[in-house]
Amino acid sequence: NAGVTQTPKFRVLKTGQSMTLLCAQDMNHEYMYWYRQDPGMGLRLIHYSVGEGTTAKGEVPDGYNVSRLKKQNFLLGLESAAPSQTSVYFCASSRSLGVTNQPQHFGDGTRLSIL
Amino acid sequence: AQKVTQAQTEISVVEKEDVTLDCVYETRDTTYYLFWYKQPPSGELVFLIRRNSFDEQNEISGRYSWNFQKSTSSFNFTITASQVVDSAVYFCALSEGGTDKLIFGTGTRLQVFP
Repeated sequence: NAGVTQTPKFRVLKTGQSMTLLCAQDMNHEYMYWYRQDPGMGLRLIHYSVGEGTTAKGEVPDGYNVSRLKKQNFLLGLESAAPSQTSVYFCASSRSLGVTNQPQHFGDGTRLSIL
Repeated sequence: AQKVTQAQTEISVVEKEDVTLDCVYETRDTTYYLFWYKQPPSGELVFLIRRNSFDEQNEISGRYSWNFQKSTSSFNFTITASQVVDSAVYFCALSEGGTDKLIFGTGTRLQVFP
């Protein structure tokens, strides 16, 4: 019963460094999402994917890239990290074929600090 | 445009008190879905309830109840006889039919003191 697994759980980067956050789900969900959570702002959608090989921009996509090469994995990349990207990042998945607007299942989050 | 407003930033109560968390939403769609999630101090997000726009029946689950009123665009959450374990940040969220993308409110931090 792994659900949604995020790797790593914590990371500290220096400004300008790059890194990739990995999200894996074992529920055969079609849709996957990346959010960031900042104090007082709730969760904001960065990018999402409605299926293998597809990605789309969310509310705050600048500075991030994503890839969905396999249905179960959704990668979030920071090419040149900036202090403004210090945040807690959550991955989520939802929707099996034939049903809509199902609850999203979230991973435990990745706490990322950019110095 | 979609928007979710949780005007209560933080609420503090003493154990066994009842508490209501407010959620007001905006959408132009006739088909939409509303959700509540709980984020305990450990940080994970826990799904609590999903309600679609065609179902205005209130729901009760143990000490939790939800009041959905389309006339006031509200989807309020009440905890009866609160307990310390209810201490968490609670998020209300909205998705429009067919998109599955969630728009979250800014959350309400509930602190329940013994």
